[in-house]
Amino acid sequence: AQSVTQLDSQVPVFEEAPVELRCNYSSSVSVYLFWYVQYPNQGLQLLLKYLSGSTLVKGINGFEAEFNKSQTSFHLRKPSVHISDTAEYFCAVSGSGGGGNKLTFGTGTQLKVEL
Amino acid sequence: GAGVSQSPSNKVTEKGKDVELRCDPISGHTALYWYRQSLGQGLEFLIYFQGNSAPDKSGLPSDRFSAERTGGSVSTLTIQRTQQEDSAVYLCASSLARSRGQFFGPGTRLTVL
Repeated sequence: AQSVTQLDSQVPVFEEAPVELRCNYSSSVSVYLFWYVQYPNQGLQLLLKYLSGSTLVKGINGFEAEFNKSQTSFHLRKPSVHISDTAEYFCAVSGSGGGGNKLTFGTGTQLKVEL
Repeated sequence: GAGVSQSPSNKVTEKGKDVELRCDPISGHTALYWYRQSLGQGLEFLIYFQGNSAPDKSGLPSDRFSAERTGGSVSTLTIQRTQQEDSAVYLCASSLARSRGQFFGPGTRLTVL
């Protein structure tokens, strides 16, 4: 079984400032890690994913995330946010071995970008 | 190409009625998932279909919930005798392979009065 913790329910930040959204996971098996973004009244959009290999992964809209196995973390970062980045961000995990195809999500972090 | 589509976008029903929610996955995607998003419970897995294999129903909250996938494409989630706690956004996702991630539809907002 897997679990995901997003400790920050809300993160306010000024436009053009950097941001980090934290994600920690727990799993007894190897995992794939994902970040999704949800804009108001829309479905989830895949931002980026970590499967294996390089621990720094780049996604859409200038976001990147770093996988840290020893700290079981997969924090999302953006060096300079825009007002249009205001949305809810979900970290998710699935098992990478046989079975376990479902995604287990964190509770989400609401990113609010202010002028 | 076309993404995952879901219908209806909104559904209001009375307690005790049955409802059917529809999902059209991305063409060629062999895996289809249903999730539920509610204020109290966050995003929860409900059921997963992969090709012709038996579905993984481990996330269905009660026997009032069922789903089927016809012809390996369209899926219908049925909730019988709806309760107020069933009010949520029901999200459908499809995938070509686990490593490629899941692609979500816009959801169906269900309100049970």
